Amino acid sequence: GENVEQHPSTLSVQEGDSAVIKCTYSDSASNYFPWYKQELGKRPQLIIDIRSNVGEKKDQRIAVTLNKTAKHFSLHITETQPEDSAVYFCAASRANNAGNMLTFGGGTRLMVKP
Amino acid sequence: DSGVTQTPKHLITATGQRVTLRCSPRSGDLSVYWYQQSLDQGLQFLIQYYNGEERAKGNILERFSAQQFPDLHSELNLSSLELGDSALYFCASSVDLQADTQYFGPGTRLTVL
Repeated sequence: GENVEQHPSTLSVQEGDSAVIKCTYSDSASNYFPWYKQELGKRPQLIIDIRSNVGEKKDQRIAVTLNKTAKHFSLHITETQPEDSAVYFCAASRANNAGNMLTFGGGTRLMVKP
Repeated sequence: DSGVTQTPKHLITATGQRVTLRCSPRSGDLSVYWYQQSLDQGLQFLIQYYNGEERAKGNILERFSAQQFPDLHSELNLSSLELGDSALYFCASSVDLQADTQYFGPGTRLTVL
């Protein structure tokens, strides 16, 4: 089955700096890669996603890049703000007729210091 | 608010008991997923239903079962509860079987004493 590894497990940055979180996956057939933000005790919220036919996607201060050959993808947050502090999860899935289960990385706790 | 609802918000019970968690998907979504989030195991996929039928199964224990009803709401049944079953249980939904975007509900926090 799919295995997703995520690094680092904790990341502390100064407000205004950039943050980068990296994930690797094992199943070359995976074709969908979402990123979720989770605040303490709350639901995971989808912040950005990328599909295997695209190499990069940007939404304001957030961007995701995908390298299918190396089987890794990354989340980039620019101009970080204290409200960006949360746990971020990457995930991978192979959506097909058999179903669409997300396999999650272990999470990165991002702390943005004012 | 994702549009996915879950009840109850919190559940406290004893070992050996049985509980039922309920999920209503977003309006129009046919697929429902259940995930377990514990401190030591992270977010783990349990099971997926599509239009009433089981379609994918993950690391779901035999003591756990689920179903999706004709009105598309889903229930997750957990029996013979153990201390290690204490976790956040999330339901998510998507438009159809292959649609990749999943929207998560607020979760049910289960505490087994």
